[in-house]
Amino acid sequence: ETGVTQTPRHLVMGMTNKKSLKCEQHLGHNAMYWYKQSAKKPLELMFVYNFKEQTENNSVPSRFSPECPNSSHLFLHLHTLQPEDSALYLCASSLRSGTTDTQYFGPGTRLTVL
Amino acid sequence: RKEVEQDPGPFNVPEGATVAFNCTYSNSASQSFFWYRQDCRKEPKLLMSVYSSGNEDGRFTAQLNRASQYISLLIRDSKLSDSATYLCVVNIDRGSTLGRLYFGRGTQLTVWP
Repeated sequence: ETGVTQTPRHLVMGMTNKKSLKCEQHLGHNAMYWYKQSAKKPLELMFVYNFKEQTENNSVPSRFSPECPNSSHLFLHLHTLQPEDSALYLCASSLRSGTTDTQYFGPGTRLTVL
Repeated sequence: RKEVEQDPGPFNVPEGATVAFNCTYSNSASQSFFWYRQDCRKEPKLLMSVYSSGNEDGRFTAQLNRASQYISLLIRDSKLSDSATYLCVVNIDRGSTLGRLYFGRGTQLTVWP
């Protein structure tokens, strides 16, 4: 049903691994987002891309590296993560960023860092 | 101080009950307001926008009080399927073209038969 897909849905990785999360939206939107949702905490915005350009980095550690090759695809490259990075990582898209346009979320990738 | 504060609950109510959730926001530059719903282990989905004059969508009524920086969601005639976490969300204009959404922690609702 959702126009935003994410893979993988679950990921377990060691602290020395390198992995990537993928997000794809089929809604014709121009803005894409990465959010982190930890237990008992509100969603935290990580990155915003508007027309493939990064417009916001919310003080995210460099071990998280986003990539947006086009308006439909968004990646989050992970390396040397810490156990506290374990969380649900949600991708979202909207027609435009910085507006009242509804954000549509993907199902998320549940990440566990050992 | 958090941008958006919500009572985390949980709220446990019987079917048919009326339940109200409250939310406060700290930034007076907040421009638009929403309630999202998040089912267990699922992604958040927009439930409804909140307008200054208040608005209703079936059994759901949202209210906004800008003076008090307070938002509410009222659910009438609760259904089992209303069980979820309700997220209060605020869009804050930071003086550029790039406003952003701030999410509350969510209020957990369980409706029991």
